[in-house]
Formats: sequence, C-alpha cells, structure tokens
Amino acid sequence: GDSVTQMEGPVTLSEEAFLTINCTYTATGYPSLFWYVQYPGEGLQLLLKATKADDKGSNKGFEATYRKETTSFHLEKGSVQVSDSAVYFCALSDRGRNQFYFGTGTSLTVIP
Amino acid sequence: DSGVTQTPKHLITATGQRVTLRCSPRSGDLSVYWYQQSLDQGLQFLIQYYNGEERAKGNILERFSAQQFPDLHSELNLSSLELGDSALYFCASSVGSGGTGGTIYFGEGSWLTVV
Repeated sequence: GDSVTQMEGPVTLSEEAFLTINCTYTATGYPSLFWYVQYPGEGLQLLLKATKADDKGSNKGFEATYRKETTSFHLEKGSVQVSDSAVYFCALSDRGRNQFYFGTGTSLTVIP
Repeated sequence: DSGVTQTPKHLITATGQRVTLRCSPRSGDLSVYWYQQSLDQGLQFLIQYYNGEERAKGNILERFSAQQFPDLHSELNLSSLELGDSALYFCASSVGSGGTGGTIYFGEGSWLTVV
C-alpha cells in the first residue's frame, strides 16, 4: 500500500545551519506530496505542497522538489532560525484511494 | 487559523467513561478526517467522512465511532475509555474526498487525558 517514510529525529541544529529532512514515498498512482509543520501546542499546518513530478513547493524559505525517479520529497532550508523549531510531517494524498498518508514526523530543534 | 474548529480543547475523564469530541470543518469543505496523535504511535489516521458518508477507515478501535451530520460537522465518540486512549485528537477537513490530491486543513486538536 501507499506509505511515507521520513528520517528519524530528533534533529538539532545551530541557527543559520542548512536543513535537510528526508522523505521518500511509495504510491501506486500519482500522488500529491505535502510537508506539514506542527509548532509546540498547535495543530498541523500546511507548509508546502507539490502536485506533480518535478514541481517545487516553497514557503517561508523551505523548499521541496517532487522527484518521481527517486520517489522522494526532501525538505530543505538554507538557514534555519530558532522559530523553525517544530515537528515536520511529510504526507501524500493518494488520488485513487481518497486517503492521506503521513510520515512519523521529524522533530527539529534550532539552538541560538 | 485554519478554519477548522474543535471542541473541547482539553478534557479529563476517568477510565470506563465515554466522551464526544466535536469538529466543525472549514466552510465549504465536505470531507472530515479524524486523527489520533500520541507520543508512542505518532499520527494515526482513524476515519474519514465525505458529505455524510464514511469514506475511509484507518486504525480506529471498535470502542470508537464517528459520524458526520447534515450540516457537515462531525463527532468522534470514544467509549469505555482506557489510560492508553490519552492523546491529542485532531480533526481535519478538505474540499474534496481526498482523492483529488487536494490539501487538508487541521484543527488545533482536543487533548484527552484519561485518569
């Protein structure tokens, strides 16, 4: 079945460091891919999305490119800030089965 | 603010009891999803309704049930509560049924503590 696998956490970085959180997926069709972010004490918020191969989603300095050949959607940011400390979830929407699948989440802590 | 409203925000109850969590989706959204988030199991999909009908079922226990009403709000009923049911329960909504690749929007969650 469809699934999402993302890198284990927690991840701790210093401010202004480069961030990569890996996400790979398995899907039988042509899914849409998402990154959601959960700040402490809050619900999940959409960070960015991509709906087809080679699309790049971007928001708040974060980017992710839909790579069909490697079935990946890695999240990157060039220079993280303390305010980016949160849990990040990779997800896919299966067009055929009407379901969303979430990864296990990666906790990021950015220290000054 | 995602536009998805969940009540109550916090709830403490005893084992064996029954509770109801309520969700109002974003205006215009027809799908409602319920998720459970716990420390040891991450984000678990429970169930989805689309325009009043059950559309997909995930890891929902038999002690749990849900429904979506004609006005599209949804309720998640949790009965015979156990300590392990303590978790954050999220509701989310989307315009379509989920099969269109669209975005889902989450509420802020209902914290359930079973003592």
